[in-house]
Amino acid sequence: GAGVSQSPSNKVTEKGKDVELRCDPISGHTALYWYRQSLGQGLEFLIYFQGNSAPDKSGLPSDRFSAERTGGSVSTLTIQRTQQEDSAVYLCASSQHQGNDGYTFGSGTRLTVV
Amino acid sequence: QKEVEQNSGPLSVPEGAIASLNCTYSDRGSQSFFWYRQYSGKSPELIMFIYSNGDKEDGRFTAQLNKASQYVSLLIRDSQPSDSATYLCAVNPRRDDKIIFGKGTRLHILP
Repeated sequence: GAGVSQSPSNKVTEKGKDVELRCDPISGHTALYWYRQSLGQGLEFLIYFQGNSAPDKSGLPSDRFSAERTGGSVSTLTIQRTQQEDSAVYLCASSQHQGNDGYTFGSGTRLTVV
Repeated sequence: QKEVEQNSGPLSVPEGAIASLNCTYSDRGSQSFFWYRQYSGKSPELIMFIYSNGDKEDGRFTAQLNKASQYVSLLIRDSQPSDSATYLCAVNPRRDDKIIFGKGTRLHILP
C-alpha cells in the first residue's frame, strides 16, 4: 500500500476484555515496529519484527501483550485482560532497511480502556 | 540504558526567526540520527536523518551532528506558524536495531 495502515483508528473497550490491533505495513518493507504513546509522553518501544528473524519482544510491558506477523506482512498486536493503564495510542511503523533510514508511521490506534 | 534526552519546552520563537532544537544521546556508538515532527493528535513524520558529523541541509531545515559531544540539533530557518509541533529526536544505536526516541520538544512559533 501507499502508507502504513492501522485499524481500528479508535477502540473503546471495557477493563478485562481482550483487544486486537492490526497493522498493514508498506509493501516491500521488511521491518515492522510497534510503539505506544501515552498522553503527553514519548514513544515507548514494544516489539520489532525483521523478516523471518525472531522478533525483539524486549519492550512488551507484560505477558498480557503479544504480537504476531503473518507471512512477513500484516501484524496483529493483542492485549489480553486490558487494564486502564493500557490506554494509549498504539503506533505501528515499517521500514525498508532495518530502520537505518528511519521509519514510516501509521496513523495509530487510540485505545481507551474504561 | 540507552537514552535520548531533549528539553520538553515549550520553545517559543517569533515567526521568521531561527528555531534551534537540541538533543543528547547516551550511546557513543550510535549510528543514525533522526528528527521527527509530530502535530497534535497525529503520528510522527520523519523530516531529517543524518549519519555523519557535520551539517545536513534540506530546505529550511538543517540537522547538525557532533558525535564527540553526543549531540544532535535541528535548526529551522524562517520559522512559520505551521512549524508549531513537537519535534522528536531519535537515535538508532546500531545497524538493524530499533530506534530510541526522545520525549520531544514542543515548539511554538509566535505569529
